Amino acid sequence: DVKVTQSSRYLVKRTGEKVFLECVQDMDHENMFWYRQDPGLGLRLIYFSYDVKMKEKGDIPEGYSVSREKKERFSLILESASTNQTSMYLCASSKRTGRAEAFFGQGTRLTVV
Amino acid sequence: GDSVTQMEGPVTLSEEAFLTINCTYTATGYPSLFWYVQYPGEGLQLLLKATKADDKGSNKGFEATYRKETTSFHLEKGSVQVSDSAVYFCALGSGNTPLVFGKGTRLSVIA
Repeated sequence: DVKVTQSSRYLVKRTGEKVFLECVQDMDHENMFWYRQDPGLGLRLIYFSYDVKMKEKGDIPEGYSVSREKKERFSLILESASTNQTSMYLCASSKRTGRAEAFFGQGTRLTVV
Repeated sequence: GDSVTQMEGPVTLSEEAFLTINCTYTATGYPSLFWYVQYPGEGLQLLLKATKADDKGSNKGFEATYRKETTSFHLEKGSVQVSDSAVYFCALGSGNTPLVFGKGTRLSVIA
C-alpha cells in the first residue's frame, strides 16, 4: 500500500519558533509538494520539488522554506512561526510522468500561539 | 493558466438521495482529471480518475465522465450514505506540473 507519512498529526508552537514539518514517501516518487489548507481558501501550494536538492516556489512561499536532501523526504520549515501560519499542512507526492495523480499524507494541524 | 471550477457548497442531502457535484475546467493541454475526497481531520484520498476523453472513472459507487466537448468532469452517486459526508475536490493534471485543484465542495448527508 502506497504511503505518504507526515511526522505529526497535531503541533502547537510558539510565535517566533523555528518549526520543522517532515514528510516521507515510500513510493520512489520524484515529485513532492507542500500545501496549506484554510477554510474558504481551498488548497494553496507552498513549495514543490521535482528532484533531490531541487525546489520551486508555489503560490504562497513567503515565510516558508523547504529541504530535500533525500528522494523520499521533503521538509517544510517555518523560519519564525507566526499566528497567521496556523493551518492544516498537507504533503503529497507523485511520479514524474506527466498528468500523474498525487498521493497525500494525513495532514499536520499546526497551531501557533 | 489551467483552472478548475467546482460548485460551491455546502451541499446537504438526505440518505439515499442522488448526488451531483459539478466540475468544469480550463486547460491549454490535454489533462488528466481527478476527484479527491477528504474526510474530517484527514488528508486527501484519490477517489477516481480519468485520463482521456469519454473515460469514466468509478469507485465506491461514485462516477465521473471526462467530457472534452463541455470541459466537464461532474461527480455523481446514485444513493448517498451518511458515511459519504466529506469534502470533495476536483483536480486536473497537465504536464509535469502540480495538480490544479478546485476549492472543494462540502457534502453533508443526513439520516
